[in-house]
Amino acid sequence: NAGVTQTPKFRVLKTGQSMTLLCAQDMNHEYMYWYRQDPGMGLRLIHYSVGEGTTAKGEVPDGYNVSRLKKQNFLLGLESAAPSQTSVYFCASRKGQSRSGANVLTFGAGSRLTVL
Amino acid sequence: DAKTTQPPSMDCAEGRAANLPCNHSTISGNEYVYWYRQIHSQGPQYIIHGLKNNETNEMASLIITEDRKSSTLILPHATLRDTAVYYCIVSARAGGTSYGKLTFGQGTILTVHP
Repeated sequence: NAGVTQTPKFRVLKTGQSMTLLCAQDMNHEYMYWYRQDPGMGLRLIHYSVGEGTTAKGEVPDGYNVSRLKKQNFLLGLESAAPSQTSVYFCASRKGQSRSGANVLTFGAGSRLTVL
Repeated sequence: DAKTTQPPSMDCAEGRAANLPCNHSTISGNEYVYWYRQIHSQGPQYIIHGLKNNETNEMASLIITEDRKSSTLILPHATLRDTAVYYCIVSARAGGTSYGKLTFGQGTILTVHP
């Protein structure tokens, strides 16, 4: 049981290049999230998904696109990378509705992206 | 979601209890208090959550004041591995339009000393 797995762990891009970050979870969780974390700042939500085939914008969605074609995978795409997107990206997942309504998220180990 | 206020940093001696405070004076009745922590370079890890009553699990205890405007996370016997950034988050019950989104602030950097 791997939990939440992010690939790649590290990537260096040049401005204008595109890339996709993959998040995979094996816990049959309904909800998935992409956050970014910059030095000295907390995590900020980029996009999220409440189920297969659905996506929604978070706090800082500009410059990113996402897809959730399969329940277990949530992809984060950068169509034209910019230096401002240099960050550590974290994926998280959560079970669907629960009686307690608890927001217990399981996070991946992170993907460190540098845009030159 | 209600805003939280935490001290930027705290120190604790190994083996002693670490008490991390959090103010959430604008919390509403349907909002829970969550604690997560992030050890350097790792993803955040869930610790505990509560609504009104005090809660305890294998990692920590959560004490919520009667008016729910503040809370304290207690690590009963801190170890060096507990050195991390601790986030106090207030969030509505997941469901409806909240979709389980959590808003992470700056957190408290807890340093456990030998």
